[in-house]
Amino acid sequence: GAVVSQHPSWVICKSGTSVKIECRSLDFQATTMFWYRQFPKQSLMLMATSNEGSKATYEQGVEKDKFLINHASLTLSTLTVTSAHPEDSSFYICSARDGGGGVETQYFGPGTRLLVL
Amino acid sequence: KQEVTQIPAALSVPEGENLVLNCSFTDSAIYNLQWFRQDPGKGLTSLLLIQSSQREQTSGRLNASLDKSSGRSTLYIAASQPGDSATYLCAVRDTGFQKLVFGTGTRLLVSP
Repeated sequence: GAVVSQHPSWVICKSGTSVKIECRSLDFQATTMFWYRQFPKQSLMLMATSNEGSKATYEQGVEKDKFLINHASLTLSTLTVTSAHPEDSSFYICSARDGGGGVETQYFGPGTRLLVL
Repeated sequence: KQEVTQIPAALSVPEGENLVLNCSFTDSAIYNLQWFRQDPGKGLTSLLLIQSSQREQTSGRLNASLDKSSGRSTLYIAASQPGDSATYLCAVRDTGFQKLVFGTGTRLLVSP
């Protein structure tokens, strides 16, 4: 089946630094990628939707200048958390939609755990 | 705005029991509904997907039903096993922007 990878799987950083998370579709072309955030014991909340080659669409309440999303190719999207603060500590999950499949062909990455000290 | 709720929030059962997880959603105009499994600190594994025109889907010991008009879905797990211990999430995809909206999850613990 289709595989979505994320790197790194976990990261610890100091407050004020920027962190980049990569999301790759390994064996399919992802025309659309989604970024979710999950706080402990809570559900996944959609942060933004990105289409290859265009600007990401952010959900209400998500700061686009703080969470920079780049979807430069059909197999790679990156999420950069700029000037991270402890409240940004969370589990970030990306998801990729297979451009050759139906709308429900959406695959999820294993997640990246971010801890900001 | 679509809201998805799951009951119970947590469930602990002995091995071998049959159990039912519930999911309700506020807007019945959905494209499909999907059940996922999430192990601690891990990503999501898709279990079952029910199209809006379907009533149920089955995979092994899992059976999911959908009553779109009442905004409800249930996930039935037969003969539960310790390996079933995980958080189960339901998610609905809307007909407009095709986004997935996730429920609050049910944390299941099956003890040997």
